[in-house]
Amino acid sequence: QKEVEQNSGPLSVPEGAIASLNCTYSDRGSQSFFWYRQYSGKSPELIMSIYSNGDKEDGRFTAQLNKASQYVSLLIRDSQPSDSATYLCAVLPSGTYKYIFGTGTRLKVLA
Amino acid sequence: GAVVSQHPSRVICKSGTSVKIECRSLDFQATTMFWYRQFPKQSLMLMATSNEGSKATYEQGVEKDKFLINHASLTLSTLTVTSAHPEDSSFYICSARDWLVGTSGGFDNEQFFGPGTRLTVL
Repeated sequence: QKEVEQNSGPLSVPEGAIASLNCTYSDRGSQSFFWYRQYSGKSPELIMSIYSNGDKEDGRFTAQLNKASQYVSLLIRDSQPSDSATYLCAVLPSGTYKYIFGTGTRLKVLA
Repeated sequence: GAVVSQHPSRVICKSGTSVKIECRSLDFQATTMFWYRQFPKQSLMLMATSNEGSKATYEQGVEKDKFLINHASLTLSTLTVTSAHPEDSSFYICSARDWLVGTSGGFDNEQFFGPGTRLTVL
């Protein structure tokens, strides 16, 4: 059973702080990793994709991938109240085109 | 970026009726589309994978005769919930995979989601 695990939260951070979201996965052969943001009542929105070990930065967002340890993380710098949402980690296991989603981490940025 | 639309955004129907939901990729061709269902405070559950020109592949536990999927063109997939009952009330979301356009500009596996359809069966 291929799994993706996230802490459900809520993770509360003050405005302006760095929010750190983590995700672990079980399929060692996975090659593609994604972070989606989902506001309440809305559909997921792709924030970042990462395919290689290391860091990938896009604006205030940084995705970090460590395949040896089987974890992927998302850092949000200068967190804003508008970042308050559920963040879904998705992994594409080897040999399939179907994502495995984590249950999501609810982030609250306090003004 | 890749845009996926869904229609309708919200539907309320009586028990026993059928509801059709459309999913369109607006600026790219999607050979594969996915249908998800999401109950309140739960994560996405993949229902089926829709491939253009062929039969959909359903996940275990999803009734193919109840959730009819048609992917007639490279830009349109439809999900029909037949004889809907209150337990079918949920948020239905489609996504499309674009092999050509990714945030890195290469051949990525990114899925882009439609805005979702909230179905309420009375």
